[in-house]
Amino acid sequence: KAGVTQTPRYLIKTRGQQVTLSCSPISGHRSVSWYQQTPGQGLQFLFEYFSETQRNKGNFPGRFSGRQFSNSRSEMNVSTLELGDSALYLCASSLSTSSYNEQFFGPGTRLTVL
Amino acid sequence: AQTVTQSQPEMSVQEAETVTLSCTYDTSESNYYLFWYKQPPSRQMILVIRQEAYKQQNATENRFSVNFQKAAKSFSLKISDSQLGDTAMYFCAFGGSNYKLTFGKGTLLTVNP
Repeated sequence: KAGVTQTPRYLIKTRGQQVTLSCSPISGHRSVSWYQQTPGQGLQFLFEYFSETQRNKGNFPGRFSGRQFSNSRSEMNVSTLELGDSALYLCASSLSTSSYNEQFFGPGTRLTVL
Repeated sequence: AQTVTQSQPEMSVQEAETVTLSCTYDTSESNYYLFWYKQPPSRQMILVIRQEAYKQQNATENRFSVNFQKAAKSFSLKISDSQLGDTAMYFCAFGGSNYKLTFGKGTLLTVNP
């Protein structure tokens, strides 16, 4: 069974631009979560989707948004990029409706904002 | 809100020896899961071991085991017979009722030959 895939793997943008990252969960997984990883802040939760509904959102500005499609694939969008948005963005999928289940992570998208 | 604290930013161990990574957490929930994830230099996060809070018995996965002390809110990871491939960042994570994982800052473990 294929793992969580994220595209693109690497991305370079300039301040003020917007970016869309994509995540395909493991087949059969309906929950998708997004995390931002930086050296200073560590791993921070962005949002979680299940069956196209956002169930929880982290403490990030409105420039960060996401959505989930009927096939469980998810995208996150960051508008008006700032230097501080440079990070590794990790997507994770989970089988169950419960938050207690193991999350399987993708390889991440490395975003660099110049 | 939950918090997870890993007090050891870096640790090192000799190959074949045993090492213990510490983690404490704070929560008001009674039912939750705790996880240890490993992130090697390749950056892919991999689950090492998980523990259900309602289970008294400590989880074990081959060379990896935990010491779960619910009253003390402590969840340490013991790695036995350390191997070079164990070199990675290790994250302790809390999974509660709000559909997210809360991670500690991580412990960078280096296994020396």
